[in-house]
Amino acid sequence: KNEVEQSPQNLTAQEGEFITINCSYSVGISALHWLQQHPGGGIVSLFMLSSGKKKHGRLIATINIQEKHSSLHITASHPRDSAVYICAVRSKGAQKLVFGQGTRLTINP
Amino acid sequence: DAGVTQSPTHLIKTRGQQVTLRCSPISGHKSVSWYQQVLGQGPQFIFQYYEKEERGRGNFPDRFSARQFPNYSSELNVNALLLGDSALYLCASSSPTGTPGAQYFGPGTRLLVL
Repeated sequence: KNEVEQSPQNLTAQEGEFITINCSYSVGISALHWLQQHPGGGIVSLFMLSSGKKKHGRLIATINIQEKHSSLHITASHPRDSAVYICAVRSKGAQKLVFGQGTRLTINP
Repeated sequence: DAGVTQSPTHLIKTRGQQVTLRCSPISGHKSVSWYQQVLGQGPQFIFQYYEKEERGRGNFPDRFSARQFPNYSSELNVNALLLGDSALYLCASSSPTGTPGAQYFGPGTRLLVL
């Protein structure tokens, strides 16, 4: 079992829909990252969380440390949100990030 | 301020050859990490260097090596290339004086081994 599991692996939705991507992890962490990767490979850091909730524009990220679970929400989704969204965690005392396998999101107009 | 830069952007090699990938961190960042991302999967940690010393190593064979230079740039070397080494190689930099845990990714080098 991977240390970081994401669901769903693929998600297709219509423009305007509310999107939720989930991430579960099995280790104690010091931080959790949500990353966005567009075709071509470049990775953009969306959020880094250690507790609670963060909001940036139409994106919201939440984390529940006790349940070892995080969610990324996109409100009023748009075709330009189409990308792979990756959850990554940094274990306590470690420097490296452990990544989930990513969720491929496609928003149709 | 420039972000993390990597070179080359794309590379084609044949089996058995050797490759060197380069990364320049954000100015002031002293830590560089390397990740391998095979198509359709999440990135996997290869190495982390801080102040020119190896601080972490992932589960990769000895064909993979890296080093960090006095200016904190880094090179990743892969010897005796295999088809399975075809991947996007990502470099990320971080700073102990910046946001704790924040890593900043470069655009990656896409390596194709034929």
